[in-house]
Amino acid sequence: RKEVEQDPGPFNVPEGATVAFNCTYSNSASQSFFWYRQDCRKEPKLLMSVYSSGNEDGRFTAQLNRASQYISLLIRDSKLSDSATYLCVVAGGNQFYFGTGTSLTVIP
Amino acid sequence: GAGVSQTPSNKVTEKGKYVELRCDPISGHTALYWYRQSLGQGPEFLIYFQGTGAADDSGLPNDRFFAVRPEGSVSTLKIQRTERGDSAVYLCASSTPGGGPTEAFFGQGTRLTVV
Repeated sequence: RKEVEQDPGPFNVPEGATVAFNCTYSNSASQSFFWYRQDCRKEPKLLMSVYSSGNEDGRFTAQLNRASQYISLLIRDSKLSDSATYLCVVAGGNQFYFGTGTSLTVIP
Repeated sequence: GAGVSQTPSNKVTEKGKYVELRCDPISGHTALYWYRQSLGQGPEFLIYFQGTGAADDSGLPNDRFFAVRPEGSVSTLKIQRTERGDSAVYLCASSTPGGGPTEAFFGQGTRLTVV
């Protein structure tokens, strides 16, 4: 079983839409959680960390459910510039485990 | 520069040849990671260094792959007898020390093509 599972998509949404990505992880001892964004042929970059209480950064909201071992990312009012692959990342024991990524295309 | 630097950015090699990929982490970052990313997949863990030592090399696919970090800064990933299946983007990341994993900063990767 993979450490981190994500729906690969693709998600094609119109500008202004709200879209949600989900991710599950297998190791209950995992310590830290992140969402990374990766543009085509570029390196992954941190979008936001995910905290147990949930956290928001502008149009982006991340939530963590430790009991269900589930992480989510909500993007409101999607922009064309949000088109990218979103990687769910779970860290523990000094390792970072990546999901396969969810592809998002925002359509004008 | 302040970021993670990887060289070369692209490498084309013939099957059976030996290649070295270099990573220069962010100054002061003691944790260094190598990942491999194939098209349509997330980064796959290869090896993790804490300082000079390989703390976890469980992701190296076989003994053709080896990595070093002799002075606790620059790291080199070495691949012997390359095979076409080794073609991928090799990503290096570094992070700060601490009680648990913090944000990993990635280099732009080396795109390896074995022909």
